Amino acid sequence: ETGVTQTPRHLVMGMTNKKSLKCEQHLGHNAMYWYKQSAKKPLELMFVYSLEERVENNSVPSRFSPECPNSSHLFLHLHTLQPEDSALYLCASSQEVAIAPDTQYFGPGTRLTVL
Amino acid sequence: DQQVKQNSPSLSVQEGRISILNCDYTNSMFDYFLWYKKYPAEGPTFLISISSIKDKNEDGRFTVFLNKSAKHLSLHIVPSQPGDSAVYFCAASASNTGFQKLVFGTGTRLLVSP
Repeated sequence: ETGVTQTPRHLVMGMTNKKSLKCEQHLGHNAMYWYKQSAKKPLELMFVYSLEERVENNSVPSRFSPECPNSSHLFLHLHTLQPEDSALYLCASSQEVAIAPDTQYFGPGTRLTVL
Repeated sequence: DQQVKQNSPSLSVQEGRISILNCDYTNSMFDYFLWYKKYPAEGPTFLISISSIKDKNEDGRFTVFLNKSAKHLSLHIVPSQPGDSAVYFCAASASNTGFQKLVFGTGTRLLVSP
């Protein structure tokens, strides 16, 4: 299934670096999401976009900055991260944000390590 | 406070037998429930879902049961196959939040042995 792709798959960065994660969906969906999965914790919703507009910012620190230039692409810009930000970052998409129920489809994730 | 709980971190089953994965939730506003399967180095894959207006949904070898009064759902896999070995996540959402905010459990690792 290549409906939702993420790059890079693995990323190692220092605390002073700036990097970006990229997500692309080929499903014609209108909603996109960023999740964080830390070890032994449930997936945590970070951001929700509907038709390029941010719908939800789930109390995420400002060192994470999302960008959604169109309904097919989603970025997560990272700067001055902390080692505790090391996690698996997952992108997902769904048909519509406001129509329930609606199933979310996930990308393979980016495994981020902050040194 | 964890609103969706999967209390069994792991489950081992023999090939051909039934696998039963359980999930409990605390938020009575949840009205849509999903199961996802995750292999190592891959993202979660949607498996099956159920709306709160139903108590059972079946798709091939997979059946999800919902007991609203007990705030409990379960996923049955019959017969289990070695390829089913993966981590299974239960997720729930409430339609009154205005958007699809999925709340996930911590997952149950299923191992199906030949």
